Amino acid sequence: GAVVSQHPSRVICKSGTSVKIECRSLDFQATTMFWYRQFPKKSLMLMATSNEGSKATYEQGVEKDKFLINHASLTLSTLTVTSAHPEDSSFYICSARPAVQSYNEQFFGPGTRLTVL
Amino acid sequence: DQQVKQNSPSLSVQEGRISILNCDYTNSMFDYFLWYKKYPAEGPTFLISISSIKDKNEDGRFTVFLNKSAKHLSLHIVPSQPGDSAVYFCAASVFSSNTGKLIFGQGTTLQVKP
Repeated sequence: GAVVSQHPSRVICKSGTSVKIECRSLDFQATTMFWYRQFPKKSLMLMATSNEGSKATYEQGVEKDKFLINHASLTLSTLTVTSAHPEDSSFYICSARPAVQSYNEQFFGPGTRLTVL
Repeated sequence: DQQVKQNSPSLSVQEGRISILNCDYTNSMFDYFLWYKKYPAEGPTFLISISSIKDKNEDGRFTVFLNKSAKHLSLHIVPSQPGDSAVYFCAASVFSSNTGKLIFGQGTTLQVKP
């Protein structure tokens, strides 16, 4: 149980285009999903918290107009990188927090490698 | 401001020996700590956690120790196996805030040699 999927796993796009990444909790409902970004050999940096049915909460320094987050259902959150530029190239990882839980465990997706040319 | 620090970027141990990964934190509000294992190009996998009301939690080969006064936690893996080779992240949260936000350390790359 507690499986989280991401799609696509890898995407290459041209500068200026927009890219949508999906995060799904496959066997549980997640009221909260998180989006992280990881640079090579660096920590996972929390970008935003996505709550079902409400606006996402962005961390300081993360542009909400550039990284659009939609949490449409209890099993799906999407991250759209708008007008992508080479500096947006990174490994994006989502995680989902079960609606019913005792502790702050999160289950992570496999990640999406974005390369902007 | 790095609230969670893993000061050793890498660790190499022999198969069968103990691996000890360390993590320090600065925020005294943190009350729940987790360890994750990560392979390249994959998402982190939950390993073990500990609440601040405990000082030790054990699950099979993995044991996490928490020293609140020192704001320090460690993950012990014994015996270490080659399949344990990965990047290990510690993470901390304020459980009572109910936000679910995790603050991660920089990670430690563990290599277990056969």
